[in-house]
Amino acid sequence: AQSVTQLGSHVSVSEGALVLLRCNYSSSVPPYLFWYVQYPNQGLQLLLKYTTGATLVKGINGFEAEFKKSETSFHLTKPSAHMSDAAEYFCAVTGTGNQFYFGTGTSLTVIP
Amino acid sequence: DTEVTQTPKHLVMGMTNKKSLKCEQHMGHRAMYWYKQKAKKPPELMFVYSYEKLSINESVPSRFSPECPNSSLLNLHLHALQPEDSALYLCASSLRDRGGSRAEAFFGQGTRLTVV
Repeated sequence: AQSVTQLGSHVSVSEGALVLLRCNYSSSVPPYLFWYVQYPNQGLQLLLKYTTGATLVKGINGFEAEFKKSETSFHLTKPSAHMSDAAEYFCAVTGTGNQFYFGTGTSLTVIP
Repeated sequence: DTEVTQTPKHLVMGMTNKKSLKCEQHMGHRAMYWYKQKAKKPPELMFVYSYEKLSINESVPSRFSPECPNSSLLNLHLHALQPEDSALYLCASSLRDRGGSRAEAFFGQGTRLTVV
């Protein structure tokens, strides 16, 4: 079985500060992990994904995430927050079936 | 073309109406999904089609009826809905081959459904 846990349903950062959104996973098979972003009244947009290979993954809009097997984590970071980063962020994992398992989401607020 | 297109964007329907949501993709994806999303919550899986066959039904009430006419289209037929069914309905697709490729899902912009 696969699942993800997002720690912190709300995160606030100042503009220009580091963004850190936490995600831990549980998987009985090698996981494929994803971060999605959702702006109000919109669909989900893929930020980045980890499948195999390099554990540091770079995505769009300056975001990156590091797969740490020993910590079962896949935290999302961005060195400098921008006002346009304010959105809902979802971590997801997929196994060998056709399902994606989403975390409960983290709402990011950027303070000017 | 990396888009999943959903129509309509907004829908208001009465509890006795019948309506349909449509979803289209031209990426050659063979897995297509319907999700329901309430405000401030993650998407909840409703249905999965794999190679045009229904592979997963997450115990969704029969007032929701999915249909996959071909590999590019996915419909969700709605009948006798309740006000609590008001939500954002998201369609997604992914490249899933029979070998078990676990590619990412691409999402449409959703249909905002209000049941009155």
